[in-house]
Amino acid sequence: AQTVTQSQPEMSVQEAETVTLSCTYDTSESDYYLFWYKQPPSRQMILVIRQEAYKQQNATENRFSVNFQKAAKSFSLKISDSQLGDAAMYFCAYRRGYSGGGADGLTFGKGTHLIIQP
Amino acid sequence: ETGVTQSPTHLIKTRGQQVTLRCSSQSGHNTVSWYQQALGQGPQFIFQYYREEENGRGNFPPRFSGLQFPNYSSELNVNALELDDSALYLCASSRSSGASTDTQYFGPGTRLTVL
Repeated sequence: AQTVTQSQPEMSVQEAETVTLSCTYDTSESDYYLFWYKQPPSRQMILVIRQEAYKQQNATENRFSVNFQKAAKSFSLKISDSQLGDAAMYFCAYRRGYSGGGADGLTFGKGTHLIIQP
Repeated sequence: ETGVTQSPTHLIKTRGQQVTLRCSSQSGHNTVSWYQQALGQGPQFIFQYYREEENGRGNFPPRFSGLQFPNYSSELNVNALELDDSALYLCASSRSSGASTDTQYFGPGTRLTVL
């Protein structure tokens, strides 16, 4: 079974600074997707960024970028120019690639609570 | 915001009762997945519905069941509620082609409290 590990229960960063959230995963599959979701106090899980395992290029979405190290099974999220609105729980998630008729459920880590200090 | 909606927002039940939670998927999406998120934890996959049939489930007992309707909306039913069922229940919709599923987009969740 796949597992996702987020080793940082909480991180704190000054506004406008850069912060990196860590995620490692374990899988025997070669085709899969990785995601970072953000969950603010409003509870709605919001997609931040997505990475396909077959792509060597790291995904980027505005201030958010990932460092995907497939051999090391590492998938970290870098947030540049942190803003107060970035404060939330951040979850790393894994999903297998080819479904083959089965379900494509996400496997989540336990999350990292990101605090932005003004 | 995503186009995924869930009802009700909050729900309080007593142990042994049954509950039904509802989810409307985003326009153009044909697949619905349900997750349980206990306090302080990441979401856990319950099951997924595609073409009105369950096409896989996580490690949840049969008293967790669901339905998907022709308009792709979905229900999660939980029978014989236990105290440990208290959690945030999240619904996510996505577009599937049968061979693969696109990114899942989440609704705001239903907070279930079992007393």
